[in-house]
Amino acid sequence: EPEVTQTPSHQVTQMGQEVILRCVPISNHLYFYWYRQILGQKVEFLVSFYNNEISEKSEIFDDQFSVERPDGSNFTLKIRSTKLEDSAMYFCASANGGQANEKLFFGSGTQLSVL
Amino acid sequence: AQSVAQPEDQVNVAEGNPLTVKCTYSVSGNPYLFWYVQYPNRGLQFLLKYITGDNLVKGSYGFEAEFNKSQTSFHLKKPSALVSDSALYFCAVRDRSGYSTLTFGKGTMLLVSP
Repeated sequence: EPEVTQTPSHQVTQMGQEVILRCVPISNHLYFYWYRQILGQKVEFLVSFYNNEISEKSEIFDDQFSVERPDGSNFTLKIRSTKLEDSAMYFCASANGGQANEKLFFGSGTQLSVL
Repeated sequence: AQSVAQPEDQVNVAEGNPLTVKCTYSVSGNPYLFWYVQYPNRGLQFLLKYITGDNLVKGSYGFEAEFNKSQTSFHLKKPSALVSDSALYFCAVRDRSGYSTLTFGKGTMLLVSP
């Protein structure tokens, strides 16, 4: 089965530094997502992306966050100035369609540690 | 706002015994319901979903889930657990009445002992 690929698997950064998390969605998918999970807490929605623009974002996705699909295959999440509370597992997901009953395909995640 | 509750952080069961992982949900309209599983160092994998029709939904690896509208529950079940079923299980809900994001619970760790 095709997979969503995320790199790196682990990222350690200093508070205030910029990080870019990378994802390669499944090739024929059109809808892209970022979720995150702080240790011991729920998997939280960050942002959805379709047709080269953000379609929805949560309260977590503030001005420090941005997403981009720079080359038609990669889908990136940038955090401009990381905070300690940004430490979490970040999951990228993609879907073929945008219907509410569509299943999402997830990557294995990037563990971000902000020191 | 929609939400999902998974009341158990961990479920322990012996191999060969039936298992249940509990999930309750809250949405303003009618729900689409999902179960995902996460094995170590892997992404969340889709197990099954409830859209409409039969309240008992069958999915991958012998898992099934029962939609109960009156109890707003969608418990995951399997008649006979395997050690290889040990993983983290996530319940998720999406409101079908309008566009909404997929909302997850915090996950339940299932440990199946030999």
